Amino acid sequence: EVQLVESGGGLVKPGGSLRLSCAASGFTFSSYSMNWVRQAPGKGLEWVSSISSSSSYIYYADSVKGRFTISRDNAKNSLYLQMNSLRAEDTAVYYCCGVRDAFDIWGQGTMVTVSS
Amino acid sequence: SYVLTQPPSVSVAPGKTARITCGGNNIGSKSVHWYQQKPGQAPVLVIYYDSDRPSGIPERFSGSNSGNTATLTISRVEAGDEADYYCQVWDSSSDRWVFGGGTKLTVL
Repeated sequence: EVQLVESGGGLVKPGGSLRLSCAASGFTFSSYSMNWVRQAPGKGLEWVSSISSSSSYIYYADSVKGRFTISRDNAKNSLYLQMNSLRAEDTAVYYCCGVRDAFDIWGQGTMVTVSS
Repeated sequence: SYVLTQPPSVSVAPGKTARITCGGNNIGSKSVHWYQQKPGQAPVLVIYYDSDRPSGIPERFSGSNSGNTATLTISRVEAGDEADYYCQVWDSSSDRWVFGGGTKLTVL
């Protein structure tokens, strides 16, 4: 079964850090570019970051550039998002997504709440 | 930065055809992807590259893209189609993925 499972979400204070993980199974992870997408409560989808299959190309949304770092470990079939200097507006469900033609594979999401 | 504009809501009676638009500057020159998201669930890809359907997506779902507007068409709408729908493109000028604001489809 094709699956992405996110973990690492939780409650963190403003200015704090959190590291999200995404475990992939059921497909050739190393062949897919991977992304993080977030959705604030009651809001729409917002793309956060992309990483190519070999980590050669990395892109960030302006809203997180300089604070978030995407990475992957193809040997472990895992995707990561290091989030620093967190703000209240980073509160959202964070989805990891696998890209073949489009965002073909989605995880179930992990909730990040930034609050004092 | 590139902006995609969707109507906040579309309503349609069961059995009728729903059309959800996605507006963007010369969007016809880009590849548009569409996602369906039901409450409490992760999004699901329903149309990619303007008009292709992933396996498992009913033929009732179709897409088109020309000029400044892309359209997701859902024929013979069913109650189970009620969801939020998002369009998406890759903006090569800024190396960013862009989502539209989403459209809530209500089946009357």
